[in-house]
Amino acid sequence: GENVEQHPSTLSVQEGDSAVIKCTYSDSASNYFPWYKQELGKRPQLIIDIRSNVGEKKDQRIAVTLNKTAKHFSLHITETQPEDSAVYFCAASRAAGNKLTFGGGTRVLVKP
Amino acid sequence: SAVISQKPSRDICQRGTSLTIQCQVDSQVTMMFWYRQQPGQSLTLIATANQGSEATYESGFVIDKFPISRPNLTFSTLTVSNMSPEDSSIYLCSVEGAGKNIQYFGAGTRLSVL
Repeated sequence: GENVEQHPSTLSVQEGDSAVIKCTYSDSASNYFPWYKQELGKRPQLIIDIRSNVGEKKDQRIAVTLNKTAKHFSLHITETQPEDSAVYFCAASRAAGNKLTFGGGTRVLVKP
Repeated sequence: SAVISQKPSRDICQRGTSLTIQCQVDSQVTMMFWYRQQPGQSLTLIATANQGSEATYESGFVIDKFPISRPNLTFSTLTVSNMSPEDSSIYLCSVEGAGKNIQYFGAGTRLSVL
């Protein structure tokens, strides 16, 4: 089955700096890669996703890149703000809307 | 996005008992999933709840321990049977948001087993 590795497990950045989280996956048939943000005590919320026919996608301060050949994808957050502090999960799936395999999560702390 | 109601939001149970968690969606959805999130950990898929047929379980999860029902396209239940303290986790249902190919999560059920 699919295996998703996520690094780093924790990330501390100064407000205004950038944060980068990296994930690798094992199943070459995976073609949908969402990122979820989970604040303490809350449900995971989708923040951005990318499909395998796209190499990069951007939404305001958030961007995701995908390298299918290397089987890795990354989340980039620019101009970080204290409200970006949360746990971020990457995931992979063979089809959008299908079952997800999650990475281990990254706890991001943005220091004011 | 799909509106998902999950009940109960939390419960404290005695070992050896069972708890049934409900997941209700405000629209018909094809795909419903149940995940477990152990304290401070990531999400692990328990099973896919199939309407009209038996659920599809992931490796390490069995029907006797986690029976699932899916009587229609808007509702599903997950039962945690014969509970032990190791079952203390957050259990989340998720659905594919009608036609948008995006998974939305319920608020979760925080289960503590004493």
